[in-house]
Amino acid sequence: DAGVTQSPTHLIKTRGQQVTLRCSPKSGHDTVSWYQQALGQGPQFIFQYYEEEERQRGNFPDRFSGHQFPNYSSELNVNALLLGDSALYLCASSYRGYDEKLFFGSGTQLSVL
Amino acid sequence: AQSVAQPEDQVNVAEGNPLTVKCTYSVSGNPYLFWYVQYPNRGLQFLLKYITGDNLVKGSYGFEAEFNKSQTSFHLKKPSALVSDSALYFCAVRGVMDSSYKLIFGSGTRLLVRP
Repeated sequence: DAGVTQSPTHLIKTRGQQVTLRCSPKSGHDTVSWYQQALGQGPQFIFQYYEEEERQRGNFPDRFSGHQFPNYSSELNVNALLLGDSALYLCASSYRGYDEKLFFGSGTQLSVL
Repeated sequence: AQSVAQPEDQVNVAEGNPLTVKCTYSVSGNPYLFWYVQYPNRGLQFLLKYITGDNLVKGSYGFEAEFNKSQTSFHLKKPSALVSDSALYFCAVRGVMDSSYKLIFGSGTRLLVRP
């Protein structure tokens, strides 16, 4: 049983570029949440997708957007990258969004130069 | 506003000794509380949760946590530490009353268990 898988594992971009990160949830899960973990900090909630819609959003600008596909996989898009967007981006899946036990992927390490 | 505080950046303990990693929270109404562990180059792994009921919660790998409502704390404990317990530990909270799906994480505490 595959857990949560994220791709790519590492990514290097320059300021102003756009990036797309991908996530496949754990089998049987239908909800995907995205978190940003800056160096030395705890994860911060970006948004959650359920039934192909953004159900809740954290305090992130509109440059951060997402999508969920019918197979429950999800993408995180970030436009007009800033140096401060450099972080580990974590995807977490759950069943129907009840966060009693999130399953996290290993993350995508994004470096913006 | 909901918040979580982990007052210690690092906790050092000798193998075989008991360990405690501290966490305090602030939330309106009753909380859902969680502990997650992060190993190098890995995502977070669920350790345990408190939803309701017994204040002492048992979790994975011999860890337990005690919910103290009066002190708004949820400290993580283990009776006998292992070197393999060395990792980054995160406390998280979700408020029951605000219909929120997001977890609020603390800044993390690095646990170092020396042989």
